[in-house]
Amino acid sequence: EAEVAQSPRYKITEKSQAVAFWCDPISGHATLYWYRQILGQGPELLVQFQDESVVDDSQLPKDRFSAERLKGVDSTLKIQPAELGDSAMYLCASSLGRVSETQYFGPGTRLLVL
Amino acid sequence: QKEVEQNSGPLSVPEGAIASLNCTYSDRGSQSFFWYRQYSGKSPELIMSIYSNGDKEDGRFTAQLNKASQYVSLLIRDSQPSDSATYLCAGGTDSWGKFQFGAGTQVVVTP
Repeated sequence: EAEVAQSPRYKITEKSQAVAFWCDPISGHATLYWYRQILGQGPELLVQFQDESVVDDSQLPKDRFSAERLKGVDSTLKIQPAELGDSAMYLCASSLGRVSETQYFGPGTRLLVL
Repeated sequence: QKEVEQNSGPLSVPEGAIASLNCTYSDRGSQSFFWYRQYSGKSPELIMSIYSNGDKEDGRFTAQLNKASQYVSLLIRDSQPSDSATYLCAGGTDSWGKFQFGAGTQVVVTP
């Protein structure tokens, strides 16, 4: 069964350092989502791609976060510099196309900023 | 105010009983709704999607949608200890509109 791949699974970093997360969606899925989930809360959408274009990045803290999906397949989310409040689970999901379609999640990257 | 609201719980349910979870949404443009289950430390996994008013059943799970009242519910029949998890409600508008998750309801099934 096709799955969304993410790496690394865990990341510990010190504040002010740079971190990067990678996501490979299910083959053929045009839409890719990056979410941040703080413990006890639901996932919060950071950025949504349709192929290589950003559809929604209204909740992405652009002063420190960046995301790209250069060839419309895999994607990278970067934080520079990391802050203590960035400690969370970062989830990647993909879907065939529209928002109305099912999103499939990867295993997530748990980030701890010290 | 969050656009998708859920009771945080925990909802304690005896084994074998029915668990009833509710979700309300504020965006009348929302057309698609999803229930995800999330075990502690894991990523969400889809239980069910629902797009039309009424009930949709899949095994021990039944989703109910009432667009006029703007709520979605999930029933879990014959609850098992393995059903202990956080259940996330999510809704989205058509096309490239917003997609939002609720904060989740924690369910604890007690033997």
